[in-house]
Amino acid sequence: AAGVIQSPRHLIKEKRETATLKCYPIPRHDTVYWYQQGPGQDPQFLISFYEKMQSDKGSIPDRFSAQQFSDYHSELNMSSLELGDSALYFCASSWGGGDNSPLHFGNGTRLTVT
Amino acid sequence: AQSVTQLGSHVSVSEGALVLLRCNYSSSVPPYLFWYVQYPNQGLQLLLKYTTGATLVKGINGFEAEFKKSETSFHLTKPSAHMSDAAEYFCAVTLAAGNKLTFGGGTRVLVKP
Repeated sequence: AAGVIQSPRHLIKEKRETATLKCYPIPRHDTVYWYQQGPGQDPQFLISFYEKMQSDKGSIPDRFSAQQFSDYHSELNMSSLELGDSALYFCASSWGGGDNSPLHFGNGTRLTVT
Repeated sequence: AQSVTQLGSHVSVSEGALVLLRCNYSSSVPPYLFWYVQYPNQGLQLLLKYTTGATLVKGINGFEAEFKKSETSFHLTKPSAHMSDAAEYFCAVTLAAGNKLTFGGGTRVLVKP
């Protein structure tokens, strides 16, 4: 079965650079979530979108922005990167209309800021 | 608001022994509860979920969990550990289907031969 696809798998950037992470949800899933997992940490919710509109916002820095496009894929844009942004970034998708629709996670993008 | 507490950041078990991972939740309304497993450098894979109905839920890889409202717990068990069970396990809660998940701190399982 198709899963959540994230690209790239690995990304190395320097301080103050920008990065764009992409997420392609499972077909027919209309909700996308972004999580950040620092080393040895649990995943922290950043932001979510339902039907291309922002549905919830967590601890996302102002330097970050995200959107969901008409084909339901999502992009997380990160500017003025800092060393502390180094983490594993997960995207998850679900079907917002179902009571039993759990989140399905991608394999993540590992961002390293040097 | 909701929160999850996992007791024990590390658990070591012998191959063939019982695996017990503890999870307690706090929620103002009936919660939806999940267990996810994360292998090194991989994403989070859903093990099992509790939404409504039967309080004992069975998941993949021989794992099961029991929702106990009176104890606000959702402990994960597996009768006999296998070397392939070595991974990090996260308990998570949400207040409604499709809402964001709040994760516990995770429990890393080490399986000894």
